[in-house]
Amino acid sequence: DTEVTQTPKHLVMGMTNKKSLKCEQHMGHRAMYWYKQKAKKPPELMFVYSYEKLSINESVPSRFSPECPNSSLLNLHLHALQPEDSALYLCASSQDGQGVMDIQYFGAGTRLSVL
Amino acid sequence: GEDVEQSLFLSVREGDSSVINCTYTDSSSTYLYWYKQEPGAGLQLLTYIFSNMDMKQDQRLTVLLNKKDKHLSLRIADTQTGDSAIYFCAERTGGFKTIFGAGTRLFVKA
Repeated sequence: DTEVTQTPKHLVMGMTNKKSLKCEQHMGHRAMYWYKQKAKKPPELMFVYSYEKLSINESVPSRFSPECPNSSLLNLHLHALQPEDSALYLCASSQDGQGVMDIQYFGAGTRLSVL
Repeated sequence: GEDVEQSLFLSVREGDSSVINCTYTDSSSTYLYWYKQEPGAGLQLLTYIFSNMDMKQDQRLTVLLNKKDKHLSLRIADTQTGDSAIYFCAERTGGFKTIFGAGTRLFVKA
């Protein structure tokens, strides 16, 4: 099983709303990632968790707040987003995030529209 | 610094072979990946190759690596309309980051 599950698949929210994106994997992976992908662009790394600790924050605005409750789950809490935050948000996981043999597996993404 | 470059578009006829090219800049030992992304979907890992290999074949997919020129290619034999997608070349050199190319959009004409 190499499945990374993301919910919801689609989300529409206003600029004053608070919502959360969820990601789950049961591959025993200890590294989990959030990426943002705009149309016709490659994914851009936002956050990396390794062993449930935040390892990388790519200078993401504080209106995006990640959370890793346990090794299988990764959340992205959204608050006061802007229309330019509309994008496909991808979750990925890998063995432990270390070394070149560490392959990332991606979920199908959540397509977010901010009105 | 690390950089991965790809051509943006490729159009082929159904049944022909497709060759998608990629160049990378990091010279340290690395894994190189090909991901496929269909419209509205996430990234699907197609194949990968370690930088001490020259070639890897997996059914209709052949990956060729020229380490001297830092050139990677993905050949899809007998291309089908279902192969229409964006193909991302990516490089992993250690640590948490994967460097993606801009993606090559493959159009397959019936």
